[in-house]
Amino acid sequence: SQQGEEDPQALSIQEGENATMNCSYKTSINNLQWYRQNSGRGLVHLILIRSNEREKHSGRLRVTLDTSKKSSSLLITASRAADTASYFCATDGVQGAQKLVFGQGTRLTINP
Amino acid sequence: GAGVSQSPSNKVTEKGKDVELRCDPISGHTALYWYRQSLGQGLEFLIYFQGNSAPDKSGLPSDRFSAERTGGSVSTLTIQRTQQEDSAVYLCASSLFTAGGRGYTFGSGTRLTVV
Repeated sequence: SQQGEEDPQALSIQEGENATMNCSYKTSINNLQWYRQNSGRGLVHLILIRSNEREKHSGRLRVTLDTSKKSSSLLITASRAADTASYFCATDGVQGAQKLVFGQGTRLTINP
Repeated sequence: GAGVSQSPSNKVTEKGKDVELRCDPISGHTALYWYRQSLGQGLEFLIYFQGNSAPDKSGLPSDRFSAERTGGSVSTLTIQRTQQEDSAVYLCASSLFTAGGRGYTFGSGTRLTVV
């Protein structure tokens, strides 16, 4: 089964609104990362949060991590049309594995 | 190079033919990863390399799939006797550390269509 599961699977909002995406995982991790993918091609690394961190900011992005609930959220503030993309969470260090395990992604659409 | 380069960007092949997909990682990145993404789905791990060795091949779906890496740089993913279910986007990524402590840099992928 998937280590990371994003919620919702799809999200459509108006430009200027905030977008929140959630990710849940099953086992302990070293860190959790968020990626963006445009048009089904290469992914772009957005932000990494370590297991001993609770919140991290990068520009209009805010990521939280709750290891007790095994969940993370990605908040994009003041959304823009260019933010339309799929967003994936990925967990690192699952059972000592040296690889990222990705969730199924959230498809975000920003309407102008 | 400045980024991860994959070739070809698109490949259409007939069922039963062999295909080779190439990945040029960022210079100096010791870790290299192959993932597969079917339409509208998440990323499925295939294999990763640390240098030229492949400590984890657990994601290769069958013995028709193989990969190698030479000189700690370029990697080739080979699919023999392609099947229609092999159709997907094959993504390569590299990182400086296997622990992913700084995130992966992905290539733009190879879209494989088996007809």
